[in-house]
Amino acid sequence: DIQMTQSPSSLSASVGDRVTITCRASQSISRFLHWYQQQPGKAPKLLLYAASSLQSGVPSRFSGSGSGTNFTLTISGLQPQDFATYYCQQSYSTPFPFGPGTKVDIK
Amino acid sequence: EMLLVESGGGLVQPGGSLRLSCAASGFTFSSYSLNWVRQAPGKGLEWISYISGSTRTIYYTDSVKGRFTISRDNAKNSLYLQMNNLRAEDTAVYYCARGGGVNDALDIWGQGTMVTVSS
Repeated sequence: DIQMTQSPSSLSASVGDRVTITCRASQSISRFLHWYQQQPGKAPKLLLYAASSLQSGVPSRFSGSGSGTNFTLTISGLQPQDFATYYCQQSYSTPFPFGPGTKVDIK
Repeated sequence: EMLLVESGGGLVQPGGSLRLSCAASGFTFSSYSLNWVRQAPGKGLEWISYISGSTRTIYYTDSVKGRFTISRDNAKNSLYLQMNNLRAEDTAVYYCARGGGVNDALDIWGQGTMVTVSS
């Protein structure tokens, strides 16, 4: 089975900061990698699919890159509503695990 | 508006059974794969099962194989998860989520239903 890791597990940042989260797969998953945001007590929300494609309605300050085993999510200009937990997920081969998550909180 | 609404959660004793439902609206239900994802209290997301639009393809994560059964009724726009032999570690919020197309990213999520397994 493919394992997903994320780093860091948490980070503190300020409004306006540029934030980068890394996701790694234990084997190549091409670009079958997606990013989700989850606010406390709410369902997750799809931000990016296929590594770098922005989901409809998601602000352009969110961007993604990578292929194979290494991927990044970047938030350019952190906004108050971006303080949340971020998860990556692979859909290359079953099972389709999520990464353990990265919690972004206010410095 | 495209919606998924879960129901059927509750308190159940270890070894018991529960059937979750997920009602869909606002899109052509049979054209999309569907998934169940759960989240234990204070923990991360765990993908547990997938079913294709035609129902021909079904997957499970190892921890639920042989105990959980995913199914769907395309005539009723509904997804189900039959959960048997429940364990304390199955306690979680259960979400249904649509596989939205490109690489089956989960683009629509329900609000979740809580399942508590406890005596």
